Amino acid sequence: EDKVVQSPLSLVVHEGDTVTLNCSYEVTNFRSLLWYKQEKKAPTFLFMLTSSGIEKKSGRLSSILDKKELFSILNITATQTGDSAVYLCAVRGGNQFYFGTGTSLTVIP
Amino acid sequence: DGGITQSPKYLFRKEGQNVTLSCEQNLNHDAMYWYRQDPGQGLRLIYYSQIVNDFQKGDIAEGYSVSREKKESFPLTVTSAQKNPTAFYLCASSITAYNEQFFGPGTRLTVL
Repeated sequence: EDKVVQSPLSLVVHEGDTVTLNCSYEVTNFRSLLWYKQEKKAPTFLFMLTSSGIEKKSGRLSSILDKKELFSILNITATQTGDSAVYLCAVRGGNQFYFGTGTSLTVIP
Repeated sequence: DGGITQSPKYLFRKEGQNVTLSCEQNLNHDAMYWYRQDPGQGLRLIYYSQIVNDFQKGDIAEGYSVSREKKESFPLTVTSAQKNPTAFYLCASSITAYNEQFFGPGTRLTVL
Protein backbone atom coordinates (compact mmCIF):
# COMPACT_ATOMS: atom_id res chain seq x y z
CA GLU A 1 0.00 0.00 0.00
CA ASP A 2 1.33 3.42 -0.96
CA LYS A 3 1.90 5.70 1.99
CA VAL A 4 3.49 9.00 2.99
CA VAL A 5 4.44 9.60 6.61
CA GLN A 6 5.33 12.99 8.04
CA SER A 7 7.00 13.74 11.34
CA PRO A 8 6.65 15.30 13.75
CA LEU A 9 2.86 15.69 13.76
CA SER A 10 3.19 19.05 15.46
CA LEU A 11 5.92 21.39 16.53
CA VAL A 12 6.06 24.58 18.60
CA VAL A 13 9.13 26.80 18.31
CA HIS A 14 10.19 30.34 19.10
CA GLU A 15 10.82 32.96 16.47
CA GLY A 16 14.34 32.68 15.14
CA ASP A 17 14.61 28.94 15.64
CA THR A 18 15.46 26.57 12.81
CA VAL A 19 13.14 23.63 12.16
CA THR A 20 13.39 20.45 10.13
CA LEU A 21 10.28 18.66 8.93
CA ASN A 22 10.46 15.08 7.73
CA CYS A 23 8.65 13.15 5.04
CA SER A 24 9.19 9.46 4.34
CA TYR A 25 7.38 7.53 1.65
CA GLU A 26 6.67 4.15 0.18
CA VAL A 27 5.09 4.83 -3.19
CA THR A 28 5.30 2.64 -6.25
CA ASN A 29 6.38 4.21 -9.51
CA PHE A 30 7.74 7.34 -7.81
CA ARG A 31 7.72 10.45 -10.00
CA SER A 32 8.16 13.46 -7.69
CA LEU A 33 7.80 14.76 -4.14
CA LEU A 34 6.11 18.05 -3.37
CA TRP A 35 5.87 20.29 -0.32
CA TYR A 36 2.88 22.55 0.36
CA LYS A 37 2.06 25.11 3.05
CA GLN A 38 -1.54 25.19 4.28
CA GLU A 39 -2.40 28.18 6.44
CA LYS A 40 -6.17 28.29 6.50
CA LYS A 41 -7.75 26.89 3.41
CA ALA A 42 -5.93 26.16 0.17
CA PRO A 43 -2.47 24.57 0.27
CA THR A 44 0.11 26.68 -1.54
CA PHE A 45 2.95 25.08 -3.46
CA LEU A 46 6.49 25.34 -2.09
CA PHE A 47 8.77 22.87 -3.85
CA MET A 48 8.81 19.97 -6.24
CA LEU A 49 11.72 17.52 -6.03
CA THR A 50 12.52 14.82 -8.52
CA SER A 51 16.25 14.17 -8.15
CA SER A 52 18.23 13.02 -5.14
CA GLY A 53 20.72 15.31 -3.46
CA ILE A 54 19.77 18.53 -5.22
CA GLU A 55 18.66 21.16 -2.75
CA LYS A 56 15.81 23.45 -3.66
CA LYS A 57 15.87 26.81 -1.91
CA SER A 58 13.49 29.71 -1.60
CA GLY A 59 14.41 32.38 0.92
CA ARG A 60 14.55 30.79 4.35
CA LEU A 61 13.04 27.52 3.15
CA SER A 62 14.98 24.68 1.61
CA SER A 63 14.31 21.05 0.81
CA ILE A 64 16.18 18.00 -0.32
CA LEU A 65 15.23 14.52 -1.46
CA ASP A 66 16.92 11.18 -0.84
CA LYS A 67 15.48 8.62 -3.27
CA LYS A 68 17.64 5.82 -1.93
CA GLU A 69 16.40 6.17 1.64
CA LEU A 70 12.95 7.35 0.49
CA PHE A 71 12.63 10.56 2.42
CA SER A 72 12.73 14.32 2.15
CA ILE A 73 13.30 17.13 4.62
CA LEU A 74 12.02 20.68 4.64
CA ASN A 75 14.17 23.17 6.54
CA ILE A 76 13.01 26.57 7.71
CA THR A 77 15.66 28.85 9.16
CA ALA A 78 15.10 31.97 11.29
CA THR A 79 11.42 31.12 11.71
CA GLN A 80 8.82 33.88 11.85
CA THR A 81 5.24 33.87 13.13
CA GLY A 82 4.10 33.93 9.52
CA ASP A 83 5.59 30.46 9.06
CA SER A 84 2.90 29.04 11.34
CA ALA A 85 0.94 26.60 9.20
CA VAL A 86 0.46 22.95 8.36
CA TYR A 87 3.15 21.70 5.99
CA LEU A 88 2.04 18.93 3.67
CA CYS A 89 4.20 16.46 1.82
CA ALA A 90 2.84 14.79 -1.31
CA VAL A 91 4.37 12.10 -3.47
CA ARG A 92 3.39 11.44 -7.04
CA GLY A 93 3.26 7.79 -7.94
CA GLY A 94 1.99 7.06 -11.41
CA ASN A 95 -0.91 9.40 -12.04
CA GLN A 96 -1.88 9.96 -8.42
CA PHE A 97 -0.63 12.11 -5.57
CA TYR A 98 -0.42 10.64 -2.08
CA PHE A 99 -0.45 13.09 0.82
CA GLY A 100 0.90 12.81 4.33
CA THR A 101 -1.14 13.99 7.31
CA GLY A 102 0.99 17.11 7.62
CA THR A 103 3.15 18.73 10.28
CA SER A 104 1.53 21.55 12.20
CA LEU A 105 4.11 24.25 12.94
CA THR A 106 3.45 26.99 15.46
CA VAL A 107 5.97 29.81 15.81
CA ILE A 108 5.57 31.89 18.94
CA PRO A 109 7.02 35.37 19.31
CA ASP B 1 -7.30 37.11 -12.43
CA GLY B 2 -6.16 33.54 -12.99
CA GLY B 3 -6.97 30.90 -10.48
CA ILE B 4 -9.20 28.16 -9.20
CA THR B 5 -12.56 28.93 -7.68
CA GLN B 6 -14.78 26.68 -5.64
CA SER B 7 -18.31 27.33 -4.60
CA PRO B 8 -20.01 27.46 -2.27
CA LYS B 9 -17.60 28.08 0.60
CA TYR B 10 -19.92 26.41 3.10
CA LEU B 11 -22.66 23.94 2.32
CA PHE B 12 -25.22 22.27 4.51
CA ARG B 13 -27.13 19.23 3.38
CA LYS B 14 -29.75 16.99 4.84
CA GLU B 15 -29.11 13.28 4.93
CA GLY B 16 -30.30 11.54 1.81
CA GLN B 17 -29.78 14.52 -0.50
CA ASN B 18 -27.32 14.74 -3.36
CA VAL B 19 -25.25 17.91 -3.58
CA THR B 20 -22.89 19.26 -6.25
CA LEU B 21 -19.71 21.18 -5.48
CA SER B 22 -18.39 23.50 -8.14
CA CYS B 23 -14.76 23.82 -9.27
CA GLU B 24 -13.69 26.16 -12.06
CA GLN B 25 -10.21 27.11 -13.28
CA ASN B 26 -9.08 29.64 -15.88
CA LEU B 27 -5.44 28.54 -15.87
CA ASN B 28 -5.82 26.43 -19.00
CA HIS B 29 -4.74 23.39 -17.00
CA ASP B 30 -5.38 19.94 -18.44
CA ALA B 31 -5.53 18.02 -15.17
CA MET B 32 -8.01 18.51 -12.32
CA TYR B 33 -8.45 16.73 -9.00
CA TRP B 34 -10.84 16.41 -6.09
CA TYR B 35 -9.58 15.70 -2.57
CA ARG B 36 -11.24 15.26 0.75
CA GLN B 37 -9.55 16.48 3.95
CA ASP B 38 -10.61 15.20 7.38
CA PRO B 39 -9.11 16.25 10.73
CA GLY B 40 -5.94 14.33 11.50
CA GLN B 41 -5.80 12.81 8.02
CA GLY B 42 -3.98 13.75 4.89
CA LEU B 43 -5.71 14.74 1.70
CA ARG B 44 -7.34 11.74 0.07
CA LEU B 45 -7.97 11.60 -3.65
CA ILE B 46 -11.58 11.16 -4.75
CA TYR B 47 -11.39 11.57 -8.53
CA TYR B 48 -9.01 13.03 -11.06
CA SER B 49 -9.16 13.98 -14.70
CA GLN B 50 -6.20 14.35 -17.00
CA ILE B 51 -8.15 15.53 -20.01
CA VAL B 52 -11.63 16.62 -21.02
CA ASN B 53 -14.24 13.84 -21.14
CA ASP B 54 -12.02 11.49 -19.18
CA PHE B 55 -11.72 10.88 -15.44
CA GLN B 56 -10.42 8.22 -13.09
CA LYS B 57 -11.36 7.04 -9.61
CA GLY B 58 -9.07 7.83 -6.75
CA ASP B 59 -8.77 5.94 -3.47
CA ILE B 60 -12.16 6.94 -2.06
CA ALA B 61 -14.48 7.36 -5.04
CA GLU B 62 -17.43 5.43 -3.61
CA GLY B 63 -20.46 7.67 -3.12
CA TYR B 64 -19.09 10.41 -5.38
CA SER B 65 -19.43 11.21 -9.08
CA VAL B 66 -17.80 13.74 -11.41
CA SER B 67 -17.98 15.02 -14.95
CA ARG B 68 -15.46 16.80 -17.15
CA GLU B 69 -17.39 18.19 -20.09
CA LYS B 70 -15.32 21.37 -20.29
CA LYS B 71 -11.61 21.91 -19.65
CA GLU B 72 -12.23 24.59 -17.07
CA SER B 73 -14.88 22.82 -15.01
CA PHE B 74 -14.80 19.69 -12.84
CA PRO B 75 -17.92 19.48 -10.62
CA LEU B 76 -18.17 16.89 -7.85
CA THR B 77 -21.49 15.37 -6.79
CA VAL B 78 -21.71 13.92 -3.32
CA THR B 79 -24.48 11.35 -3.44
CA SER B 80 -26.63 9.93 -0.69
CA ALA B 81 -24.57 6.75 -1.00
CA GLN B 82 -21.60 8.47 0.63
CA LYS B 83 -21.76 7.28 4.23
CA ASN B 84 -19.79 10.05 5.90
CA PRO B 85 -19.83 13.11 3.65
CA THR B 86 -19.10 15.81 6.23
CA ALA B 87 -15.60 17.05 5.34
CA PHE B 88 -13.55 19.78 3.73
CA TYR B 89 -13.34 19.33 -0.05
CA LEU B 90 -10.45 20.70 -2.07
CA CYS B 91 -10.23 20.97 -5.83
CA ALA B 92 -6.86 21.27 -7.57
CA SER B 93 -5.51 21.61 -11.07
CA SER B 94 -2.15 21.23 -12.79
CA ILE B 95 -0.81 22.01 -16.24
CA THR B 96 -0.45 18.31 -16.86
CA ALA B 97 -0.55 15.32 -14.53
CA TYR B 98 3.25 15.65 -14.19
CA ASN B 99 3.26 19.16 -12.71
CA GLU B 100 2.59 20.66 -9.31
CA GLN B 101 -1.02 21.17 -8.30
CA PHE B 102 -2.68 24.46 -7.48
CA PHE B 103 -5.56 24.36 -5.04
CA GLY B 104 -8.85 26.16 -4.77
CA PRO B 105 -10.07 27.66 -1.46
CA GLY B 106 -12.18 24.62 -0.59
CA THR B 107 -15.80 23.87 0.29
CA ARG B 108 -16.79 22.77 3.76
CA LEU B 109 -19.72 20.37 3.55
CA THR B 110 -21.78 19.56 6.62
CA VAL B 111 -24.49 16.94 6.62
CA LEU B 112 -27.20 17.61 9.18
